Amino acid sequence: NAGVTQTPKFRVLKTGQSMTLLCAQDMNHEYMYWYRQDPGMGLRLIHYSVGEGTTAKGEVPDGYNVSRLKKQNFLLGLESAAPSQTSVYFCASSDQYEQYFGPGTRLTVT
Amino acid sequence: EDQVTQSPEALRLQEGESSSLNCSYTVSGLRGLFWYRQDPGKGPEFLFTLYSAGEEKEKERLKATLTKKESFLHITAPKPEDSATYLCAVQAWETSGSRLTFGEGTQLTVNP
Repeated sequence: NAGVTQTPKFRVLKTGQSMTLLCAQDMNHEYMYWYRQDPGMGLRLIHYSVGEGTTAKGEVPDGYNVSRLKKQNFLLGLESAAPSQTSVYFCASSDQYEQYFGPGTRLTVT
Repeated sequence: EDQVTQSPEALRLQEGESSSLNCSYTVSGLRGLFWYRQDPGKGPEFLFTLYSAGEEKEKERLKATLTKKESFLHITAPKPEDSATYLCAVQAWETSGSRLTFGEGTQLTVNP
């Protein structure tokens, strides 16, 4: 039982490049979330999903897109990366109450 | 709008020196209050859920308590391995998708 996994662990992008972060969970949770964590700003919700095929905007959705084609996977896309998107990204899943987090992806945009 | 404020921002303790971390919150209707532990370079690790005022939960040297306005995380006789950032989060009944609102955390350092 791996819980929540994220790939890749680290990534460096140049401004304007695109990439996709993958989150997978094996707990059969309905809800999945993408957060970013920045010093002094805590965890901020980017997008979330309440079930397969659904997505919704969180607190800071601009510049990101998401897809939930399968219940166990939640993808976060950056179409045109900007230096302001340099951050640590966490995925989480939930069955209505506590959320379980992945190990994170450290993204640097130069 | 739900809000969570944690204090202090940072706390240094000597091994064995007990203390408490505070989480003050405002929420329209509390469904649950959550405590997490986060080690450097890792994702938050779930510790406790509290649902109603007066509830308490314990795990090893940690005890979480809840009132109608705040929660405390009491650390008894801490050890260096308790050093981490502790995050508090609230979930409201009205919030769609079971979303959490997080505080910025308290960075705890326990010196040997």
